Amino acid sequence: EVQLVDSGGGLVQPGRSLRLSCVASGFTFDDYAMHWVRQAPGKGLEWVSSISWNSGTIDYADSVKARFTISRDNAKSSLFLQMNGLRTEDTALYYCVRDNGQGIRHIDYWGQGTLVTVSS
Amino acid sequence: DIQMTQSPSSLSASVGDRVTITCRASQSIASYLNWYQQKPGKAPNLLIYGASSLQSGVPSRFSGSGSGTVFTLTISSLQPEDFATYYCQQSYRTRWTFGQGTKVEIK
Repeated sequence: EVQLVDSGGGLVQPGRSLRLSCVASGFTFDDYAMHWVRQAPGKGLEWVSSISWNSGTIDYADSVKARFTISRDNAKSSLFLQMNGLRTEDTALYYCVRDNGQGIRHIDYWGQGTLVTVSS
Repeated sequence: DIQMTQSPSSLSASVGDRVTITCRASQSIASYLNWYQQKPGKAPNLLIYGASSLQSGVPSRFSGSGSGTVFTLTISSLQPEDFATYYCQQSYRTRWTFGQGTKVEIK
């Protein structure tokens, strides 16, 4: 069974940093690209960042570029999101998601989400 | 980035109604369009990929159509478990984008 377990969220002051983690199981992690998607309270879904299977291709939404860094450790089946310079508008539930990787790409599995609250 | 616009933002419907949600892309995305359903407190769930392909396990009352810039999600006969928020998402560009969502409520 495919599982994605997100962790690392919490309450943090503006300007501070936080590192999110996602541990994958039930599939060969290094066969798949992975993404982070977030959802602010009561709002819609926003794509945040993506990383290819070998970390060779990485991309970010403009809203987080130069502040967030995505990475992965295939040996540990883990995905990370280093978030620096956090702003109140970064407050959201952050989901680790798997990219199906074939044909028309889409999200086929979601983590349970980890809540990041940025507030003074 | 490609902008995705859904209409309506919300709708009220009764069990058994036929419901149609529209998603428009700011540029052509061929058939690189996916639909997700999200229920309160839960992660979204894939319904349709590639504009019209039904994800395994999704009831056949859900269907998708369209290509280029205009897409539709249709629920042929709304069931109580279908009251949720629906999102379209493009994967034509590596920077994926979602529509703002359509909330389907009970009339």
